[in-house]
Amino acid sequence: QVQLVESGGGVVQPGRSLRLSCAASGFTFSSYGMHWVRQAPGKGLEWVAVMSFDGNNKYYADSVKGRFTISRDNSKNTLYLQMNSLRAEDTAVYYCAKTAAGTWSAFFDYWGQGTLVTVSS
Amino acid sequence: EIVLTQSPGTLSLSPGERATLSCRASQTVSSSYLAWYQQKPGQAPRLLIYGASSRATGIPDRFSGSGSGTDFTLTISRLEPEDFAVYYCQQYGSSPTWTFGQGTKVEIK
Repeated sequence: QVQLVESGGGVVQPGRSLRLSCAASGFTFSSYGMHWVRQAPGKGLEWVAVMSFDGNNKYYADSVKGRFTISRDNSKNTLYLQMNSLRAEDTAVYYCAKTAAGTWSAFFDYWGQGTLVTVSS
Repeated sequence: EIVLTQSPGTLSLSPGERATLSCRASQTVSSSYLAWYQQKPGQAPRLLIYGASSRATGIPDRFSGSGSGTDFTLTISRLEPEDFAVYYCQQYGSSPTWTFGQGTKVEIK
């Protein structure tokens, strides 16, 4: 069965960095695009970033462009999100999500349980 | 960017009643690339509907989706206790951006 397990969240001061990981299993990781989606406390879902199955293409929400970097290691079945210059408004639960197909126009069929990032001094 | 507006914000209903949730897009959603997700407190979202009307694997048939263009609807024919949750619509046809509606909370009346 498909499993996505995020890790790396925690409390960090504004301006500092944090790297999230998402360990995938139960499917051929190298065949699917992967996303990061976040949810601020009590708020809705916000798409953050996507990386293509082969790592050659990636896109970001305007709110994180230039500060966050998505990457993946297909040999380790792991997706990453490097978050730099963190701000209070980045406080959220961060989910990784699997695309349902190999194309960009695909919904998210599986989600991890999320990892909480709190940016506070 | 396509903006999705969900209504109502909160729906107060009793078990056994019918729930009708709306999702309106600011532009045409190409090829009906519209999905619905359910989220319960403390849990990750779960895929319910994709392609505007196709049920995901394991989703009961009391959940149905309809619509095209800019107007979409999620209907729960008879609410079960486990259906009280927040529901989000999402468009995935306007890549490389993926947007969500702000959510509709279905609560017990």
